[in-house]
Amino acid sequence: EDQVTQSPEALRLQEGESSSLNCSYTVSGLRGLFWYRQDPGKGPEFLFTLYSAGEEKEKERLKATLTKKESFLHITAPKPEDSATYLCAVQASRTYKYIFGTGTRLKVLA
Amino acid sequence: DVKVTQSSRYLVKRTGEKVFLECVQDMDHENMFWYRQDPGLGLRLIYFSYDVKMKEKGDIPEGYSVSREKKERFSLILESASTNQTSMYLCASSSSDTDTQYFGPGTRLTVL
Repeated sequence: EDQVTQSPEALRLQEGESSSLNCSYTVSGLRGLFWYRQDPGKGPEFLFTLYSAGEEKEKERLKATLTKKESFLHITAPKPEDSATYLCAVQASRTYKYIFGTGTRLKVLA
Repeated sequence: DVKVTQSSRYLVKRTGEKVFLECVQDMDHENMFWYRQDPGLGLRLIYFSYDVKMKEKGDIPEGYSVSREKKERFSLILESASTNQTSMYLCASSSSDTDTQYFGPGTRLTVL
C-alpha cells in the first residue's frame, strides 16, 4: 500500500536554529515527491518537486533532498515567518492520485 | 504565476441543502482535483478529473458529485449536505507535464 509518513508531528525551534523535517514514503514507482507549506486557514503553497533519488532543490532558507525511501526538508537559520505546517506528498507512477502525509507543524520562536 | 481560485472562502449551509463549490484555474491545466482536509486526517481526495467531462472517484466520493464542463472549471456538489461534511475543501490543478499540483485558497464549509 502506498504510504507517506512525516516526522516529527510538531517542531519548535529558536530563530536561527537549523533543523530537518522528514518524509518517509512507500510507493510502487515514484513519479514525483512534492513539498508544500500551509499557513493556518489557507491552501497549501507549492515549494518543491523532486523526481529522482539524489535530486536536491533550494529556495531561500529551504533545501529539499530525495533518496529512494525518504525526503528531507532542511531549514537553515529559520525565522519566525517560516512557522507553518509543511506537507509532503508522493505520486505513484501508475496513478493520477497523490498521497499526502499529515504534515509537520513548525513553530520558530523569536 | 499559476492561479487557482475558489468561489467562497467561508460558507455556512443547513443540513439537507444542495451545495455548490466552484474552482477555476487559469493555467490551462489538464488535471483538477477536489480534496477535503480535516485535523489529524490530512488531505483526502474526493474526486479528480483529467480532462473535460471526465471524472474519477477518489478515496471518499460518497455524498459528493463533480462536474467539469470546461477545462478551466471544476465544480464540487454536495447533493444533500450533512454535518459530517463540515470541513475545509481544497481545489488543485496540475499539468500532465510536471504533475505539480497548485492549490486554491480553500473553502471552509460549515453545515449546521
